[in-house]
Amino acid sequence: GEDVEQSLFLSVREGDSSVINCTYTDSSSTYLYWYKQEPGAGLQLLTYIFSNMDMKQDQRLTVLLNKKDKHLSLRIADTQTGDSAIYFCAETPGVRGNTGKLIFGQGTTLQVKP
Amino acid sequence: GAGVSQSPSNKVTEKGKDVELRCDPISGHTALYWYRQSLGQGLEFLIYFQGNSAPDKSGLPSDRFSAERTGGSVSTLTIQRTQQEDSAVYLCASSSGPQTTIYFGEGSWLTVV
Repeated sequence: GEDVEQSLFLSVREGDSSVINCTYTDSSSTYLYWYKQEPGAGLQLLTYIFSNMDMKQDQRLTVLLNKKDKHLSLRIADTQTGDSAIYFCAETPGVRGNTGKLIFGQGTTLQVKP
Repeated sequence: GAGVSQSPSNKVTEKGKDVELRCDPISGHTALYWYRQSLGQGLEFLIYFQGNSAPDKSGLPSDRFSAERTGGSVSTLTIQRTQQEDSAVYLCASSSGPQTTIYFGEGSWLTVV
């Protein structure tokens, strides 16, 4: 079945780079997403990548996709205290029987220390 | 509207009562999703609407849960005879179709006492 896994916690110092990793099982995934959830808030779409790409950069964010290993990562450059949040990796499984719903990882809590 | 709008943002209800949660998707979006996020849990898919197709209800946890989408726009998630384990954040999302970017609302925080 479809499964998405993430490490649960990451702590970095302000100014360092953060790398949050995610693995997924469905090789036919079409879109892969990163969402950010701040305390008491909903999910904010950070970025996404098509499965036919291997990298996408958006300001301080870099997404790397290794389709062979089914591994997705999110790199945040110059991490700030405002980046402290839970980061969710998600995929849309392939079109075989898929209705477009997202499968989420458990979320990685990023703690940024001043 | 500019984003996905949900109401109420917070709801406290007594065990056994029915609750309705509302979602206004982004204008023009044909796909609408409901997810649930319980304390300490991940995000659980509940139901998905796409245009006039039959909804995918595969994630609804029991027959106390139902959802409608009227006129292809606004959706209401109804929980009958609420239980304490229904306490969670109920998140609505929309997209312009399957396999397109999905945007979430701020959620409705439900507490059953």
